[in-house]
Amino acid sequence: DTGVSQDPRHKITKRGQNVTFRCDPISEHNRLYWYRQTLGQGPEFLTYFQNEAQLEKSRLLSDRFSAERPKGSFSTLEIQRTEQGDSAMYLCASSWSLGEQYFGPGTRLTVT
Amino acid sequence: AQSVTQLDSQVPVFEEAPVELRCNYSSSVSVYLFWYVQYPNQGLQLLLKYLSGSTLVKGINGFEAEFNKSQTSFHLRKPSVHISDTAEYFCAVSDPGSGNTGKLIFGQGTTLQVKP
Repeated sequence: DTGVSQDPRHKITKRGQNVTFRCDPISEHNRLYWYRQTLGQGPEFLTYFQNEAQLEKSRLLSDRFSAERPKGSFSTLEIQRTEQGDSAMYLCASSWSLGEQYFGPGTRLTVT
Repeated sequence: AQSVTQLDSQVPVFEEAPVELRCNYSSSVSVYLFWYVQYPNQGLQLLLKYLSGSTLVKGINGFEAEFNKSQTSFHLRKPSVHISDTAEYFCAVSDPGSGNTGKLIFGQGTTLQVKP
């Protein structure tokens, strides 16, 4: 088991561009969570999936954000028309039901 | 809505000294409580968790925490710290009654700086 992986680890983009991040959870985990962490703050919940179903979205997730988990395996988080305020670390975590959440290393996004 | 307050943004301490990182949460309903550690450029690692039962919880790396329901606190302690404990520590809460989402609500974090 290689744990939760995220790709890319770092992304620099210009304002207005679209970006997509990928998360590969631990294979037997049915739940997948996305969090956002800005500098000097704790992670904030964005959304989560149980298998392929997206069951809750935070109000932080504006219409420019979309997440998918096709076939209940890996997940993607897309941000359209990026803004400087989107600069943050995007963390993915997976778990088996309500068990311990295992976090990936994160994708650091910088919007210039 | 649940909230978590970590009372100290930075805690400097000398090596081999004891340390306490403080955490308070907002709700008096039953909650699950967690402490995570984050080393630079890495994801979060679970140190310990309280779900039910004994109020004193032991975790990895010699850390322990005590759940105090009346004070809605979950302070993290270690009797003797090492240089390698230098990291960011996050307290988090999960409300099992809120639709079983399992989502974590985190505090702002406490930077533990262990000095030689």
